[in-house]
Amino acid sequence: ILNVEQSPQSLHVQEGDSTNFTCSFPSSNFYALHWYRWETAKSPEALFVMTLNGDEKKKGRISATLNTKEGYSYLYIKGSQPEDSATYLCAFKTGANNLFFGTGTRLTVIP
Amino acid sequence: ETGVTQSPTHLIKTRGQQVTLRCSSQSGHNTVSWYQQALGQGPQFIFQYYREEENGRGNFPPRFSGLQFPNYSSELNVNALELDDSALYLCASSLGQGSDTQYFGPGTRLTVL
Repeated sequence: ILNVEQSPQSLHVQEGDSTNFTCSFPSSNFYALHWYRWETAKSPEALFVMTLNGDEKKKGRISATLNTKEGYSYLYIKGSQPEDSATYLCAFKTGANNLFFGTGTRLTVIP
Repeated sequence: ETGVTQSPTHLIKTRGQQVTLRCSSQSGHNTVSWYQQALGQGPQFIFQYYREEENGRGNFPPRFSGLQFPNYSSELNVNALELDDSALYLCASSLGQGSDTQYFGPGTRLTVL
């Protein structure tokens, strides 16, 4: 079992604040890094699939970076809104077909 | 385009029983993966099916088995249920086996008493 760690485990921010979280993964046998947003009582929603070292992806106010050599990815949210409240999961993929998930960062945006 | 659906939403079973969970893939997707999420943990990979064949398996015992049908819908079967099998079971469909985005269903909450 591969170790994928996410930090912090949870955080509360005020509406309008920008925030970021970290996903750490093994730097060997890298194939892809996935980010998901999971709102309570809904399905996990894919945000990004990142495959290249130095990749930067953006979707609205959310962006992510990837460093495969040192084994980490950052997810940034600019100007947090209450609707951003969710658990953010990262998942590491080796050449095999399974995703190894972290335990997630639970974000609460306070209006 | 129909999303990934799972049934039932909730299920209560007793130890030793057998259970079947169902998943309908997103239209056009030929790959289905199943995950178990226990309380306080991230989802853990159970297995993947690609065009009706098992195509990778995580660290789960043989009493966890699956099927994929010609329409790419899928079943997860668990025999001889144990208390630790209580979890949220997620299925995810994708267009291929590689780095393609996986689209998740809402999950089935299984409680084993």
